[in-house]
Amino acid sequence: DAGVIQSPRHEVTEMGQEVTLRCKPISGHNSLFWYRQTMMRGLELLIYFNNNVPIDDSGMPEDRFSAKMPNASFSTLKIQPSEPRDSAVYFCASSSGTREQYFGPGTRLTVT
Amino acid sequence: ELKVEQNPLFLSMQEGKNYTIYCNYSTTSDRLYWYRQDPGKSLESLFVLLSNGAVKQEGRLMASLDTKARLSTLHITAAVHDLSATYFCAVDNGGGADGLTFGKGTHLIIQP
Repeated sequence: DAGVIQSPRHEVTEMGQEVTLRCKPISGHNSLFWYRQTMMRGLELLIYFNNNVPIDDSGMPEDRFSAKMPNASFSTLKIQPSEPRDSAVYFCASSSGTREQYFGPGTRLTVT
Repeated sequence: ELKVEQNPLFLSMQEGKNYTIYCNYSTTSDRLYWYRQDPGKSLESLFVLLSNGAVKQEGRLMASLDTKARLSTLHITAAVHDLSATYFCAVDNGGGADGLTFGKGTHLIIQP
């Protein structure tokens, strides 16, 4: 199994630009999670999907953030417009039922 | 709001010594997870504790869960340098396949 796949692994962009992060969950997993990790705030849950349906997006910081899951094998997290304070490592994770979540390698985002 | 507190946040210890990391959480939950993160890497699942009194062991690491006390421990026996990493505990936000709330992590350094 390839595990959770995220792209890009690194992204450097200028303030005001649109950023799209991508995630492919482990095949057969029906839950997908987006987390953000910063030194100041640690690991935070942004949003999660169950069977492609967004269940809880209360962690999404602002309207600038949006996430979609058009099918069981693909999800995107979009930031528009991006700001320097969005700089962080963004992790995607997937799980099957109530089992543990498997994390992808992360996308390191730097907004200048 | 679910809160997860770990202590200590930083721990420097010598090889061969034993130590325990503590994880307290604020609301009722019967699912607790331990993850390991190496610098610049993703999170690796170590243990999933699903019921009161659960105890799991893998090599020099042993995790336990007391849901009545809302406390989990991660015990390190005869530490070796390879165990140097940051360890996170995380609690399920509700029943089922929900997002996780993470502690701030324990940065563990094991010196020869």
